[in-house]
Amino acid sequence: LAKTTQPISMDSYEGQEVNITCSHNNIATNDYITWYQQFPSQGPRFIIQGYKTKVTNEVASLFIPADRKSSTLSLPRVSLSDTAVYYCLVGDDSGFQKLVFGTGTRLLVSP
Amino acid sequence: GAGVSQSPRYKVAKRGQDVALRCDPISGHVSLFWYQQALGQGPEFLTYFQNEAQLDKSGLPSDRFFAERPEGSVSTLKIQRTQQEDSAVYLCASRRIEGAGYEQYFGPGTRLTVT
Repeated sequence: LAKTTQPISMDSYEGQEVNITCSHNNIATNDYITWYQQFPSQGPRFIIQGYKTKVTNEVASLFIPADRKSSTLSLPRVSLSDTAVYYCLVGDDSGFQKLVFGTGTRLLVSP
Repeated sequence: GAGVSQSPRYKVAKRGQDVALRCDPISGHVSLFWYQQALGQGPEFLTYFQNEAQLDKSGLPSDRFFAERPEGSVSTLKIQRTQQEDSAVYLCASRRIEGAGYEQYFGPGTRLTVT
């Protein structure tokens, strides 16, 4: 499984756009990039998944450059409720997939 | 619809006691996973079931840990002779079918404290 590296923590203010970048230099051809969000005292929650270019849903956007060695999770106009830990995961999207989490990025949104 | 539920939400055990943690997955979900999350760390895989079959238990830290899913729905994670290093949040997750991508649905977890 490809190793991922992401910042330990980030700070932002309400209404700002937040971009969290994840490095995955050893990503394999069949690997997808997935992001999870975890609030305190809750289990992780799937946010978004992509393979290349850009993916957007109602929660976030995921930007993946052509070489796929990194990806950026973009949260538009964050609110206090976006304070959470964000995990970047990389792995094959077929068959059995146990999730391999790193330590994630702790995002703190202040008023 | 109802999500994944876990019980109890909090458990305090004296060192040496046995504990049983329950997971009720989303109805109809074939796959069930258990993860262990230490304070300040990401979840770590423990074991995986497809229906009632335990297909991977490579993450169980010792033979004191045992998991079962006898009827392919509810699962129980049992820890015998608990030790202080077992203190963590135990998360259960389910997934609808095989090959359904990386989207797993997690429960709120059981926080185990061993004193």
